[in-house]
Amino acid sequence: DTAVSQTPKYLVTQMGNDKSIKCEQNLGHDTMYWYKQDSKKFLKIMFSYNNKELIINETVPNRFSPKSPDKAHLNLHINSLELGDSAVYFCASSPGTGPLYEQYFGPGTRLTVT
Amino acid sequence: GESVGLHLPTLSVQEGDNSIINCAYSNSASDYFIWYKQESGKGPQFIIDIRSNMDKRQGQRVTVLLNKTVKHLSLQIAATQPGDSAVYFCAENRGPGGSYIPTFGRGTSLIVHP
Repeated sequence: DTAVSQTPKYLVTQMGNDKSIKCEQNLGHDTMYWYKQDSKKFLKIMFSYNNKELIINETVPNRFSPKSPDKAHLNLHINSLELGDSAVYFCASSPGTGPLYEQYFGPGTRLTVT
Repeated sequence: GESVGLHLPTLSVQEGDNSIINCAYSNSASDYFIWYKQESGKGPQFIIDIRSNMDKRQGQRVTVLLNKTVKHLSLQIAATQPGDSAVYFCAENRGPGGSYIPTFGRGTSLIVHP
């Protein structure tokens, strides 16, 4: 009965490869997010989708492409991986697009680029 | 114990003490604030929120105080327990440009000694 799930939990890959992270929420929420957390625990939003429509895109390199096949899923595809992409990536969801909602986070995907 | 989240990233307290975690937020137009708790290896978890028309809100063992004059939030945890050990983040609902972008503070690591 996991609310927000991500796969895989760990991802180790080499520079230049392309990889994807999947996210699913079973909360019936309209809005989903991707965050990047660096080694100093700084958490920064990357993207947000509302009902499959992109609503936030925070100056993320275009090697990162989110895809939302339906409102319960938001996947993140990363092309040409670089060392600096190593981080923990969190998916989250919230009940609406409005500014007064808390977010529910997944367990994270630790990406290591070697 | 007391910490300034942006300058002292670690707060150590004894079990049973009260803890105070501070956060300076950036956008005076932000009107919704959340405290999240992130345990090791997990995603952030909602603790308590407060809207800008309030200056205090209480939950179970936690209290959030909001001072809009100086753009300051604090999280008070009563009778701190070892299970409270985690990184705590404050978040505001507007980004530097003023748009509704969930924006997280740097985080404070709380260590509770038995």
